[in-house]
Amino acid sequence: GQNIDQPTEMTATEGAIVQINCTYQTSGFNGLFWYQQHAGEAPTFLSYNVLDGLEEKGRFSSFLSRSKGYSYLLLKELQMKDSASYLCAGNQAGTALIFGKGTTLSVSS
Amino acid sequence: DAGVIQSPRHEVTEMGQEVTLRCKPISGHNSLFWYRQTMMRGLELLIYFNNNVPIDDSGMPEDRFSAKMPNASFSTLKIQPSEPRDSAVYFCASTKTSGGSGTQYFGPGTRLTVL
Repeated sequence: GQNIDQPTEMTATEGAIVQINCTYQTSGFNGLFWYQQHAGEAPTFLSYNVLDGLEEKGRFSSFLSRSKGYSYLLLKELQMKDSASYLCAGNQAGTALIFGKGTTLSVSS
Repeated sequence: DAGVIQSPRHEVTEMGQEVTLRCKPISGHNSLFWYRQTMMRGLELLIYFNNNVPIDDSGMPEDRFSAKMPNASFSTLKIQPSEPRDSAVYFCASTKTSGGSGTQYFGPGTRLTVL
């Protein structure tokens, strides 16, 4: 089956930029999702990349390279409220999403 | 529009009891997913339905777990008998895309504690 790898934890300070990486086997996915999950809450959709390249959405951007099995989520101008888990999920045709274990980001002042 | 609705939000029960979790997907969505989330294992897919039909139940841990979707607006996940290792947050999610690969919208989850 597919493996999705993300760092377990990251820390950063307010106002900084942080990049959360996600790697997976190249033979599988059609696209890559990113979800945000605050402690005690449900995951919420952030972005979806189906084509290679960078998709920008305000302070958040997501990048995909299908040939390298690599994606990242870039968060700019970090705020305390960005402290959360960030889940990478792969999209295979005809099957459900496969989620990574998530990266817990702690933003300090 | 209402999002995915789950009930109960919290459930505390004793080992051996039957537990039933409920989910109402977003109206018009035709795929529904049940997940379990723990610190150790992350978010695991248990089962998903497409147009009320179970498509993939390979994630259901064992025969103690069962899921039904009698119509497009309701699904249940049942654990009988429950065990302490079943303690987790159970999420239901739905999507408009057939085949299960579209953007999923999650319910608030049910936090289950089995004593």
